[in-house]
Amino acid sequence: DIQMTQSPSSVSASVGDRVTIACRASQYISTWLVWYQQKAGRAPKLLIYAASSLQSGVPSRFSGSGSGTDFTLTISRLQAEDFATYYCQQGHSFPFTFGPGTKVDLK
Amino acid sequence: EVQLVESGGGLVQPGGSLRLTCAASGFIFDRYVMHWVRQETGKGLEWVSSITTAGERYYADSVKGRFTISRENAKNSLYLHMNTLRAGDTAIYYCARDFGSAYLDFWGQGTLVSVSS
Repeated sequence: DIQMTQSPSSVSASVGDRVTIACRASQYISTWLVWYQQKAGRAPKLLIYAASSLQSGVPSRFSGSGSGTDFTLTISRLQAEDFATYYCQQGHSFPFTFGPGTKVDLK
Repeated sequence: EVQLVESGGGLVQPGGSLRLTCAASGFIFDRYVMHWVRQETGKGLEWVSSITTAGERYYADSVKGRFTISRENAKNSLYLHMNTLRAGDTAIYYCARDFGSAYLDFWGQGTLVSVSS
């Protein structure tokens, strides 16, 4: 199985900050990588697919990059509504696996 | 508008069974791969099972042999039959639509399964 790791596990930031979250796969997954945002009590929301493609309706301050085993989600200027937990997930092969999540909270 | 609505969760004793249903609307259901993903309270996301448009089924090792995924395209419905439930199966169960390569673009609100005596 492909293991997914994320760092950091949590980050404290202020509105307007630039936030970067890293995701690493235990083996090569090309660009079969997705990022989700989840707020408390809500279902996850798709932000980025194919490592760098922005899902329709998602603000352009979100961006993704990477390929192979190392990936990054960047929020260019953090907004109040961005405080949430972010998960990466590989879509390369079964069983599909998620990273443990990165919680972005208010500094 | 795409909608996924799960139902069927509840409290069940260890060893018991439940059937979850996901009612889909707003899209052509039989054209999409569908998934079940679960989340223990306060924990991360865990993929559970998938079913393709051709009816091929895939399962996480943790549920293989106990859970069965199925779909009824005529009713725009996805199911998860859960048998021999364990305390470790306690979680919110989400159904999700796959728009390609396990990119899950729409999720239901989830249904809570609690396994306890």
